[in-house]
Amino acid sequence: DQQVKQNSPSLSVQEGRISILNCDYTNSMFDYFLWYKKYPAEGPTFLISISSIKDKNEDGRFTVFLNKSAKHLSLHIVPSQPGDSAVYFCAARWPGNTPLVFGKGTRLSVIA
Amino acid sequence: GAVVSQHPSRVICKSGTSVKIECRSLDFQATTMFWYRQFPKQSLMLMATSNEGSKATYEQGVEKDKFLINHASLTLSTLTVTSAHPEDSSFYICSARGQILGRANSPLHFGNGTRLTVT
Repeated sequence: DQQVKQNSPSLSVQEGRISILNCDYTNSMFDYFLWYKKYPAEGPTFLISISSIKDKNEDGRFTVFLNKSAKHLSLHIVPSQPGDSAVYFCAARWPGNTPLVFGKGTRLSVIA
Repeated sequence: GAVVSQHPSRVICKSGTSVKIECRSLDFQATTMFWYRQFPKQSLMLMATSNEGSKATYEQGVEKDKFLINHASLTLSTLTVTSAHPEDSSFYICSARGQILGRANSPLHFGNGTRLTVT
């Protein structure tokens, strides 16, 4: 039973436009959510995170939104750049020094 | 920022041999490291939690006698795949959390992974 779900395996966006990646979770005990970017044959790279006490966190071109009532979070990338093309993983964890639970990832392709 | 180094990046071995993968936290101490595995087009699945100075905690379905984890110091954890078989071929990734003073949360930082191919 997947606790973190990314229902879109792929997304294609034109350069300069907004990319919106979505993620749903089922466990209401998660208190911290993260987005990672991953290239083939490399480990995931941390992008941005959000605590469950917030509903928005922004870092440059990246903004994460959290809707706790819907158990949904999204990552917005504006403007999208070709270098953003990668697989994006949504992750969540319980309180404390606990491991991350990952979604299956969404492959983003930004077309020039 | 926190850096996690993983070695080797790629290894090809024959069935029945053992392979050791090293994971080091380069600029911070990690009392806990996590080992993940990723199959093609799948999510990262947690295999085990490695605790410095104590036994690792394995996830359900992960054989502890096959995947030996040693966390002998605050900066090094090793995963040994013993008597490897072709079905063990996968991408193995370690991670550690760098603690930032004053912050309740800090992200996991990942190594670059090890691509294991067992022939």
